[in-house]
Order: sequence, then structure tokens, then C-alpha cells
Amino acid sequence: SAVISQKPSRDICQRGTSLTIQCQVDSQVTMMFWYRQQPGQSLTLIATANQGSEATYESGFVIDKFPISRPNLTFSTLTVSNMSPEDSSIYLCSVSGSGGGTGELFFGEGSRLTVL
Amino acid sequence: QKEVEQNSGPLSVPEGAIASLNCTYSDRVSQSFFWYRQYSGKSPELIMSIYSNGDKEDGRFTAQLNKASQYVSLLIRDSQPSDSATYLCAIYSGTYKYIFGTGTRLKVLA
Repeated sequence: SAVISQKPSRDICQRGTSLTIQCQVDSQVTMMFWYRQQPGQSLTLIATANQGSEATYESGFVIDKFPISRPNLTFSTLTVSNMSPEDSSIYLCSVSGSGGGTGELFFGEGSRLTVL
Repeated sequence: QKEVEQNSGPLSVPEGAIASLNCTYSDRVSQSFFWYRQYSGKSPELIMSIYSNGDKEDGRFTAQLNKASQYVSLLIRDSQPSDSATYLCAIYSGTYKYIFGTGTRLKVLA
């Protein structure tokens, strides 16, 4: 399985600010996925990031709020913009074991954001 | 709306017992099924994947899949306090979409 590193692991942010989360994979992968896990909830897919094209966002998530970059096959960033306390969550980067978008899904350590 | 349903628990079992976790799903065409373990404050960790009907064993873990009845289960034999965690069921529903259940919290009592 791929080794997935996320930064920061946690942060406390002020309302109205933005934070960028970085995700680094130790192998080249076609698809990267960004999930959100709100307290006590399951995982919700924010968007799918394919290298060389615009990210595909799920219903309820928009690019202005969660811009994503995917500059190469091993790296992606997710920005949480104009944060509010409702954005307090764990944000998870994930990739599939096959390197494409199917098969077993593996997660980074997560980035726990608290918005005051 | 494709769904994955799990009992939220907590499911409490004594140490050494078998823990049985269940999951039902609505998407009949799903072909890939996964169980993840998530400790509090940590990210999900894959523990089992299963793709065909029947049982799949890996150490103390057994995944069971019944596509006709649309359920998948996870058995943990000889449960240990270190197994106490939330267990997430997930399905791959196609087009790069993975759907996760809300998880079952397992407590193994020493």
C-alpha cells in the first residue's frame, strides 16, 4: 500500500481565514480523493483530484470553498477557504491501492482542523 | 441514493469472545466491499476487503459477503481490548465512488 503523508496533522484556525492541507504520496497515483469526517460522523467525499484536470466535486462542495490543486502524480493540496466553526473536521487524503480510482482505499493520517 | 447501513452501537463483548459486525447496502451492482478500523482520533485503517460471495479469513478476522441479501459482515475472533474501535463498512459503487457507513463502535471489555 502507498504511504500517504498529510500536513498539518492538526491546526486551530480563526474564523474567516483559509488553510491549505498538503498530501504527499510515495508512489505515482492517478486519482486522489479528499474526504471530510465531521465529529461523530462517517466519511464524506469532498472531491476527486485527477492529475492534469480540474477536480470533480461532490454535491454540497464547491471549488470556491475547497479549491484543490494536483500539480503532479504524487502531490495534492486542499484549501479550506473562509473557514467557519462548521468546517471543524478531520480532512483525509486517500488513494486507491491500484493507483487508479478503484480497489482498496488507503488514507493519510488526517488533518484535524478546529475553527474558533 | 446509494446507502450503506450499520448499527452505530456500541457493541460490547467480553475479551476472548467473537464480535460480529454487520453492514447492509442498497446498491445491487457493488462488487467491492471493505472493512476499516478507526481508532479515536486516527484515520481509517483497512483491515479486510472482499469481492466474492462467501467467507474470507485473515488471522482473527473473517469477512462474509452475501450479495443476494446485500449484506457484508465482519467477525473478530478472540476479541482483545485493543480491538476497541469504530469499524467502518465501505463499498465501491463505481465511477471512483466509495460509500462509507456511519460505523459501529466496538468495545471489548477486559
